Amino acid sequence: ETGVTQTPRHLVMGMTNKKSLKCEQHLGHNAMYWYKQSAKKPLELMFVYSLEERVENNSVPSRFSPECPNSSHLFLHLHTLQPEDSALYLCASSQGTGWETQYFGPGTRLLVL
Amino acid sequence: GQNIDQPTEMTATEGAIVQINCTYQTSGFNGLFWYQQHAGEAPTFLSYNVLDGLEEKGRFSSFLSRSKGYSYLLLKELQMKDSASYLCAVSLMDSNYQLIWGAGTKLIIKP
Repeated sequence: ETGVTQTPRHLVMGMTNKKSLKCEQHLGHNAMYWYKQSAKKPLELMFVYSLEERVENNSVPSRFSPECPNSSHLFLHLHTLQPEDSALYLCASSQGTGWETQYFGPGTRLLVL
Repeated sequence: GQNIDQPTEMTATEGAIVQINCTYQTSGFNGLFWYQQHAGEAPTFLSYNVLDGLEEKGRFSSFLSRSKGYSYLLLKELQMKDSASYLCAVSLMDSNYQLIWGAGTKLIIKP
């Protein structure tokens, strides 16, 4: 248990569906991250929020839309995804956005049909 | 460009020692992280090296050579529960939050 929870753990969706991934951290951290993890590939940073403000958006397609209503919660809204978007989506948090240790959630395994 | 290399997969025997290497070519290197990730679980922090040398934490040790762009994770007295993927990641001087990640090394422990 790392103090970062994610729901759902598994998600199957069609290309026309809309769904949301949720992340919650119980560590009192100020920064939160979304990563995409595909098999045998490095982690890809998608979005970074610091004190609820987006500070990084790594050329992610607009079909992924993040939301950070407060420093403890982070959402990733999904719509009209493609099969190549199937992956493990990891949420992480850190105390700040310096070279801080990031604490990861267990991830949401997403399958797009 | 920024690049990190680590072996895709390694196999070792329970009770033995294994060394997982990570080489990097990056500009503005600051430090290097090692994370452990069991299948279906969250990556968990193992170590962070900024200075050259060996840092020991129980059965796990991490080494860094900044001049050679090289790090390794040393696991001693291997246990079955050490079967996992080991990820190395580099932090950069000019980015507060962007880590450069390796693809991970899957370690298989056999009895």
